[in-house]
Amino acid sequence: GAGVSQSPSNKVTEKGKDVELRCDPISGHTALYWYRQSLGQGLEFLIYFQGNSAPDKSGLPSDRFSAERTGGSVSTLTIQRTQQEDSAVYLCASSFPNTAPAEAFFGQGTRLTVV
Amino acid sequence: DQQVKQNSPSLSVQEGRISILNCDYTNSMFDYFLWYKKYPAEGPTFLISISSIKDKNEDGRFTVFLNKSAKHLSLHIVPSQPGDSAVYFCAASKMAGNNRKLIWGLGTSLAVNP
Repeated sequence: GAGVSQSPSNKVTEKGKDVELRCDPISGHTALYWYRQSLGQGLEFLIYFQGNSAPDKSGLPSDRFSAERTGGSVSTLTIQRTQQEDSAVYLCASSFPNTAPAEAFFGQGTRLTVV
Repeated sequence: DQQVKQNSPSLSVQEGRISILNCDYTNSMFDYFLWYKKYPAEGPTFLISISSIKDKNEDGRFTVFLNKSAKHLSLHIVPSQPGDSAVYFCAASKMAGNNRKLIWGLGTSLAVNP
């Protein structure tokens, strides 16, 4: 498809397990962002990629969270030893560089539930 | 601390009337403001934006007003339609190289009643 694709759409995991969330950005978009929205909260920035490098990781809440991007395309967000407070909708957005933020397109999100 | 604030969690408006959604911010370094619309189980979709050098931007039924001295912006929807019912997020950005991460408000749920 032409849009940002995220998988899985929903993920239920047991506390303590590791999870991987995937984002396929729009082809040619070199900027990629991860956000999350916890229940009753606004969207919270996690990490920004430009190509395969992540110059801004300031939003990652703990060292259990990591992300990588390969080939300037697909990105995976990994949460190790999940906790209940990690339950949230994780959103990915992509854009061309040097564009106004209005040009960022979002995926539908992955709803993570830690039980 | 919440740098972008939407103090009204919900708003209900009659079809055909004006919807006014408000947003306040605290960081004077923000140079770009956006409104996104979000339906359940979907990602946010861009609606309209405004640069800090302007005080008004209009796109069809949607107008955004920016008052920099008050650190306040508002989204006007005229006339409101039932299909406008969604959660509206205000977001702000400040240029940092190519990094255009967004700082978000908590959203306002708009219900437009037929």
